Amino acid sequence: DADVTQTPRNRITKTGKRIMLECSQTKGHDRMYWYRQDPGLGLRLIYYSFDVKDINKGEISDGYSVSRQAQAKFSLSLESAIPNQTALYFCATSDQGHGYTFGSGTRLTVV
Amino acid sequence: AQSVTQLGSHVSVSEGALVLLRCNYSSSVPPYLFWYVQYPNQGLQLLLKYTSAATLVKGINGFEAEFKKSETSFHLTKPSAHMSDAAEYFCAVSATGYSSASKIIFGSGTRLSIRP
Repeated sequence: DADVTQTPRNRITKTGKRIMLECSQTKGHDRMYWYRQDPGLGLRLIYYSFDVKDINKGEISDGYSVSRQAQAKFSLSLESAIPNQTALYFCATSDQGHGYTFGSGTRLTVV
Repeated sequence: AQSVTQLGSHVSVSEGALVLLRCNYSSSVPPYLFWYVQYPNQGLQLLLKYTSAATLVKGINGFEAEFKKSETSFHLTKPSAHMSDAAEYFCAVSATGYSSASKIIFGSGTRLSIRP
């Protein structure tokens, strides 16, 4: 099994719909992150969490929310999806921030 | 604040030629620096990292990078390119310590193509 598992791998949704992307990890790391990847922009941080009771906004948190249900689970929600949220989303974990382990990504298309 | 700039969004080299991917960083504190690789339809994989030990860092698949504080650079090199090296490469920086600044900031990426 993968160290960091993201579900779903691909999703097409309609504008205005609520959608949740899920991430679970078996690394035992406290820190978890959500990034989105857009061509030519690299990865941009959406939210991050250093433990179950800690949630922090990243550089592009507007339109997104997160939930840290347990040390191993960190979900990302789009309350009302819009087309410019079409992107590749990555979950990652780390220990003390010294290098991440990434999931395989969720390709989200909002039509 | 931390940032990285990758020079060149696309680099093309011949198989067997030297690979050089350029990265310059900005950091208000001693940085940790990383190179990640992303193969098509996959997540990012750590190639190597600099964490204030040796300035020349060796990574996987024959890659290495040299930390040059005076030039604020952390360029990635490989002496001889293989076809399997074709991928996108990301330079990244993280501030040291446990603070919220220890999240990683990524560059915009450089796509490496290998010509037969």
